[in-house]
Amino acid sequence: QKEVEQNSGPLSVPEGAIASLNCTYSDRGSQSFFWYRQYSGKSPELIMSIYSNGDKEDGRFTAQLNKASQYVSLLIRDSQPSDSATYLCAVKPSTGANSKLTFGKGITLSVRP
Amino acid sequence: EAGVAQSPRYKIIEKRQSVAFWCNPISGHATLYWYQQILGQGPKLLIQFQNNGVVDDSQLPKDRFSAERLKGVDSTLKIQPAKLEDSAVYLCASSSYGNSPLHFGNGTRLTVT
Repeated sequence: QKEVEQNSGPLSVPEGAIASLNCTYSDRGSQSFFWYRQYSGKSPELIMSIYSNGDKEDGRFTAQLNKASQYVSLLIRDSQPSDSATYLCAVKPSTGANSKLTFGKGITLSVRP
Repeated sequence: EAGVAQSPRYKIIEKRQSVAFWCNPISGHATLYWYQQILGQGPKLLIQFQNNGVVDDSQLPKDRFSAERLKGVDSTLKIQPAKLEDSAVYLCASSSYGNSPLHFGNGTRLTVT
């Protein structure tokens, strides 16, 4: 069973701080990695995708991928109360259309004003 | 572009009753997914369609759940008979090609009493 682990949480940070969310995965051959944000009572929405080792930045969000260590992380700079949500890590084994996207259980982030 | 449409938004049924959910993906998206999300957990894939063919239904409880995607567009997910543990949000998602991210509908919240 290929797994995606998000074990830390819930996470609480003060407004303006950096929030660091971590995720590990078991399938060494995984190719595609996604971070989704889910507000309470809402459906998941994509905030970042990353496919290569290293960092990818988009505004206040940075995704970091290390395939050798099998982890992917999400950094949120200058955290805002509106960032308070559950963040889901999702991993796809290959780029094929038949490849299954597997989600972690999520980390709940609370940003304190 | 219009998003993924799902109906109904909420459904309350008694155990042993049947229920059906409907999903209309984003126009042109070949891949359609049904996920089950139990409170406090990440989404779990129930079934994945590529056009109107089933790609993965390994986690679908086939003794009670069924799904179809006629003509490669709309899809329905049925539960018959429902159990208490089926209480969850049922999310439909679609994607356009192999590595593209998933776009989720608003989900159907099912309560089985």
